[in-house]
Amino acid sequence: EPEVTQTPSHQVTQMGQEVILRCVPISNHLYFYWYRQILGQKVEFLVSFYNNEISEKSEIFDDQFSVERPDGSNFTLKIRSTKLEDSAMYFCASSPTGRAEQPQHFGDGTRLSIL
Amino acid sequence: AQKITQTQPGMFVQEKEAVTLDCTYDTSDPSYGLFWYKQPSSGEMIFLIYQGSYDQQNATEGRYSLNFQKARKSANLVISASQLGDSAMYFCAMSTYTGNQFYFGTGTSLTVIP
Repeated sequence: EPEVTQTPSHQVTQMGQEVILRCVPISNHLYFYWYRQILGQKVEFLVSFYNNEISEKSEIFDDQFSVERPDGSNFTLKIRSTKLEDSAMYFCASSPTGRAEQPQHFGDGTRLSIL
Repeated sequence: AQKITQTQPGMFVQEKEAVTLDCTYDTSDPSYGLFWYKQPSSGEMIFLIYQGSYDQQNATEGRYSLNFQKARKSANLVISASQLGDSAMYFCAMSTYTGNQFYFGTGTSLTVIP
């Protein structure tokens, strides 16, 4: 069964450094998402992406965050200048059409630790 | 604003017994979808079951069923014949037709006791 893959599984970065989290969505899916889950808390929406542009973003997704689809398969989340509070699990998800009745398929996540 | 509430931070169930995990939601959208995801200790998010707001029948997927009570705005997950491998965090989530993000509850930690 096709799946969303995320790399790396764990990223350790010094505060203030830039980090790029990578995702390969399911190949025929058109909508892509990033979520974050701070340890012990609920999953929070960051951004959705369709047709090479952001379709929706949350208040968490401020100017330090950016997303890109650099080629036909990868979908990346960049955090420009990391802060301690960016430490979290980051999930990428994809959906065939973005319709509300379809589940979003999640990757296994990247655990980001900021030192 | 959309909101998902899971009031049970932790639940215990005896192996082979059934368990109900509660979820209530709030939305003004007339059309929405309700989902349950399982998150084992390894961290991945596994889709379990979906219920559409206009579906007349409660959704079922193997040992999982969704007790959907629209008037009460509840979408409880029922796991029958619990297995040790069911021990995990369970998240209720909602999507709406006016936006394409998922709204998650705070989760319920289920522990299955042998």
